Amino acid sequence: GAGVSQSPSNKVTEKGKDVELRCDPISGHTALYWYRQSLGQGLEFLIYFQGNSAPDKSGLPSDRFSAERTGGSVSTLTIQRTQQEDSAVYLCASSLGKGSYNSPLHFGNGTRLTVT
Amino acid sequence: AQSVTQPDIHITVSEGASLELRCNYSYGATPYLFWYVQSPGQGLQLLLKYFSGDTLVQGIKGFEAEFKRSQSSFNLRKPSVHWSDAAEYFCAVGGQTGANNLFFGTGTRLTVIP
Repeated sequence: GAGVSQSPSNKVTEKGKDVELRCDPISGHTALYWYRQSLGQGLEFLIYFQGNSAPDKSGLPSDRFSAERTGGSVSTLTIQRTQQEDSAVYLCASSLGKGSYNSPLHFGNGTRLTVT
Repeated sequence: AQSVTQPDIHITVSEGASLELRCNYSYGATPYLFWYVQSPGQGLQLLLKYFSGDTLVQGIKGFEAEFKRSQSSFNLRKPSVHWSDAAEYFCAVGGQTGANNLFFGTGTRLTVIP
């Protein structure tokens, strides 16, 4: 079946512009995660959605970052007034949401964001 | 606080040689431990996971990992590396319940030379 789909695969934007990154999770997966992968860094947790519960936004680095998940499916990560340090690969993952062990994360291929 | 340390940024091995990638974790409770692999141009793929029981777990592609509580380690091993194993490997720790988030290490890049 289809995996986690992210779009665009690459995005180049000018400093100060807003960008939207899209994630389409695996059908039936109630949990959705956003991570950021910077050069030489591990995966940095950004935000987590589980069903209709309030999202865990504890990883968002600043108020320029926001995310929403409409209808419990597709999610959009928005970065306002982009800065060069926002350049990274943004990874989306989904899972059945029954606890990290029983439902491993399935990752998309990511969106590579470059801020010039 | 939860954290994962992968001390080796880059490892080079010859094809057919054995491999061990190190992972140390810090977690306040009994952890779930994972290894993921990220091949060039692809998303992360789960190699194996540990919950409880046998401390030596087998995964896909011939990989195994051993949980050593006394050393807070979960090292990944493979007896004979293939050229297709060249990738980035990430160790991650997660909670048993409630906290579904995973904390990842910084990754180890594996290069395989013929």
